[in-house]
Amino acid sequence: GENVEQHPSTLSVQEGDSAVIKCTYSDSASNYFPWYKQELGKGPQLIIDIRSNVGEKKDQRIAVTLNKTAKHFSLHITETQPEDSAVYFCAATPYNNNDMRFGAGTRLTVKP
Amino acid sequence: DGGITQSPKYLFRKEGQNVTLSCEQNLNHDAMYWYRQDPGQGLRLIYYSQIVNDFQKGDIAEGYSVSREKKESFPLTVTSAQKNPTAFYLCASSTDGQKPYEQYFGPGTRLTVT
Repeated sequence: GENVEQHPSTLSVQEGDSAVIKCTYSDSASNYFPWYKQELGKGPQLIIDIRSNVGEKKDQRIAVTLNKTAKHFSLHITETQPEDSAVYFCAATPYNNNDMRFGAGTRLTVKP
Repeated sequence: DGGITQSPKYLFRKEGQNVTLSCEQNLNHDAMYWYRQDPGQGLRLIYYSQIVNDFQKGDIAEGYSVSREKKESFPLTVTSAQKNPTAFYLCASSTDGQKPYEQYFGPGTRLTVT
């Protein structure tokens, strides 16, 4: 089955700097890669996703890149703000949501 | 106001007791899921249901049971057979369980068993 590894487990940046979180996956059949943001005591919220037919997707300050050959994808947050502080999860799924596998999460702290 | 609701937010039980966690959605989604979240770990799938009256085991189904009698509801029972039940439980739903669509998550229930 799919195995997703996520790095780093914690990340601290200064407000205004960029943050990058990386994930690798094992199943070459995976074709959907979402990123979720989880604030303390709440459920995860989808912030961006990418499908295997594109290499990059951008939404304002957030972007995701995908390298299918190397089986890794990354989340990029530019001009970070204190409200970006949260735990971020990557996930990958080969055929359908029933097989979605999550990374262990990255706790991002943005210092004002 | 559409979304997924989970109740209660916090739940305390004594060891040996069964407990049922509620999950309701008004998004008209076909598929629903239960995940368990432990500190420092990703979400792990307990059970999922693609359609009413049908559900399948996920990776860690032992000690749990579910039902899907209505499209809107997918309750999870944590039985006394679950060896480490203390965790944060998340319910999710998606439009179609056959395709990789976005999953919408509820706010979660934190279960503590002593």
